[in-house]
Amino acid sequence: DGGITQSPKYLFRKEGQNVTLSCEQNLNHDAMYWYRQDPGQGLRLIYYSQIVNDFQKGDIAEGYSVSREKKESFPLTVTSAQKNPTAFYLCASTPGLAGGPRETQYFGPGTRLLVL
Amino acid sequence: AQKVTQAQTEISVVEKEDVTLDCVYETRDTTYYLFWYKQPPSGELVFLIRRNSFDEQNEISGRYSWNFQKSTSSFNFTITASQVVDSAVYFCALLSGANSKLTFGKGITLSVRP
Repeated sequence: DGGITQSPKYLFRKEGQNVTLSCEQNLNHDAMYWYRQDPGQGLRLIYYSQIVNDFQKGDIAEGYSVSREKKESFPLTVTSAQKNPTAFYLCASTPGLAGGPRETQYFGPGTRLLVL
Repeated sequence: AQKVTQAQTEISVVEKEDVTLDCVYETRDTTYYLFWYKQPPSGELVFLIRRNSFDEQNEISGRYSWNFQKSTSSFNFTITASQVVDSAVYFCALLSGANSKLTFGKGITLSVRP
């Protein structure tokens, strides 16, 4: 089945530790996105990548890093510089940038990150 | 700048009632897209509908209907004969500009009681 997978479902981080959240898609989509969701808030864009080996900062990129070495994978690292990392993280993908149905973003099931 | 306002934060209805979720957007672009997503308790965002700025036709899909009015910059979502399974957080989102970044509203929590 085609779709977006995120792992793990729950992740615990100790103070000062870097953790990496996985996002994989087999939809052959070009663009991938990472969002953060806090309680009672909408989604905020962390990073996005329109093609392999290229990515752009979103609205809240500080304390996060990404890589896009393969089309199907877009891992997000939450670094120790992110002082308030507890949130729900959602990965999304979309076929491309031009007009038509390609603008629709499809989301993975999310990873809930908690700080110990 | 793009902005999406969902003024309602929580709505509670009894099963079989109709309910309308409001969405007001702001953008200076003439070409843009509007979306509604459903987020059930499991957390995954489920895509419901996409509308482009040149298509003001209302749409109906089963118990769901959407009313897009450019004159008032609104894209409202109505659920007819609500069911308990409709309980979720609903997000309205706007995509405009060349960078294809989605701007989300803060979401509306809908609770449907049996």
